[in-house]
Amino acid sequence: DAGVIQSPRHEVTEMGQEVTLRCKPISGHNSLFWYRQTMMRGLELLIYFNNNVPIDDSGMPEDRFSAKMPNASFSTLKIQPSEPRDSAVYFCASTTNRNNEQFFGPGTRLTVL
Amino acid sequence: KNEVEQSPQNLTAQEGEFITINCSYSVGISALHWLQQHPGGGIVSLFMLSSGKKKHGRLIATINIQEKHSSLHITASHPRDSAVYICAGLKWTKTSYDKVIFGPGTSLSVIP
Repeated sequence: DAGVIQSPRHEVTEMGQEVTLRCKPISGHNSLFWYRQTMMRGLELLIYFNNNVPIDDSGMPEDRFSAKMPNASFSTLKIQPSEPRDSAVYFCASTTNRNNEQFFGPGTRLTVL
Repeated sequence: KNEVEQSPQNLTAQEGEFITINCSYSVGISALHWLQQHPGGGIVSLFMLSSGKKKHGRLIATINIQEKHSSLHITASHPRDSAVYICAGLKWTKTSYDKVIFGPGTSLSVIP
């Protein structure tokens, strides 16, 4: 199994630009999580999908952030417009409902100048 | 008070030493996840446990439900064990799923 796949691995953009991060969960996993990691705040949950439906988006910072999961094998996290304070590593993780052990992707390191 | 706390925050050990990282958690957390993150790297799941003890190679994780405490032990430590170790609790939420509550992490450095 390829594990959780994220793209791009690194993204550098200018303030005000739209950024789209992508995630492909492990096949057969029906839960998907987007996390953000910063030095100041550590790991934070942004949004959780179950069976492609957003269940908990309480961690989404503001309206500039949006996430979709159009099918079981693909999810996107979009930031529009991006700001320097959005600079962080964004992780996607997936799991099954049964054992809850989450498997993390390699992360996308976002730098907003 | 954070729902998941870890100690120590930073740890330096000599190669070969036995290492213990501690995690304490609050009421409502039903299981613990130990994660490892190498510098600049991704996050790897080490253990998921809700009771007892688990062992994988030189790593051992234990949990005491009554005391709401878990430990991660590394035997015969090696420089490649240098990483941040994160304890994460699973907490059932009103939206009917186990939300992960992350601890602050313990940064381990093993010196040759």
